[in-house]
Amino acid sequence: DGGITQSPKYLFRKEGQNVTLSCEQNLNHDAMYWYRQDPGQGLRLIYYSQIVNDFQKGDIAECYSVSREKKESFPLTVTSAQKNPTAFYLCARSSPSGTPDNSPLHFGNGTRLTVT
Amino acid sequence: AQTVTQSQPEMSVQEAETVTLSCTYDTSESDYYLFWYKQPPSRQMILVIRQEAYKQQNATENRFSVNFQKAAKSFSLKISDSQLGDAAMYFCAYRRRMIQGAQKLVFGQGTRLTINP
Repeated sequence: DGGITQSPKYLFRKEGQNVTLSCEQNLNHDAMYWYRQDPGQGLRLIYYSQIVNDFQKGDIAECYSVSREKKESFPLTVTSAQKNPTAFYLCARSSPSGTPDNSPLHFGNGTRLTVT
Repeated sequence: AQTVTQSQPEMSVQEAETVTLSCTYDTSESDYYLFWYKQPPSRQMILVIRQEAYKQQNATENRFSVNFQKAAKSFSLKISDSQLGDAAMYFCAYRRRMIQGAQKLVFGQGTRLTINP
């Protein structure tokens, strides 16, 4: 899993409920990211965080929220206001400081969220 | 804003043959990185190959190689001797080169590759 764990693998919720997706990394890396994947649209950036207690909006942040209270954890909340929350959500971490600048992102195994 | 376009939603190839997946991108930056990721049915994102824009030489990783045309903003992936395990979604991705800061990736829409036995 590249040092990054997402849970659960499948998540089901009723409309009108907030839901929180977990993302944990055990390699003490600074930057973490949340992407949403929909069929035919690739991956789109929701939020990212470079350091504890700081995070930035990505391209589709509306109706999502995040927190970064600890370096190893970056949970994503899909609020009930999100019109189309059903999707596959991927969390990623950057390579550690000191690695080559061309280092890739490392992804977790994802969470499939279904809202009915 | 940077954009990445993969114009082939689906491709198929016979096992042991060669296939090329297309990717174009739009950027005003001169220094950046390009990546190909593979997503098999398990949905794990796996790095296939990467290219630095400042390098003229095309990257190669075993059966995988790229044709990087910087002026044309084109970054195609060639898979030689295709194997059944190559069946997956393939995503092209772009990232600005930054000494510090977030490594934000911009992804294309993906190409689903099928390998016919």
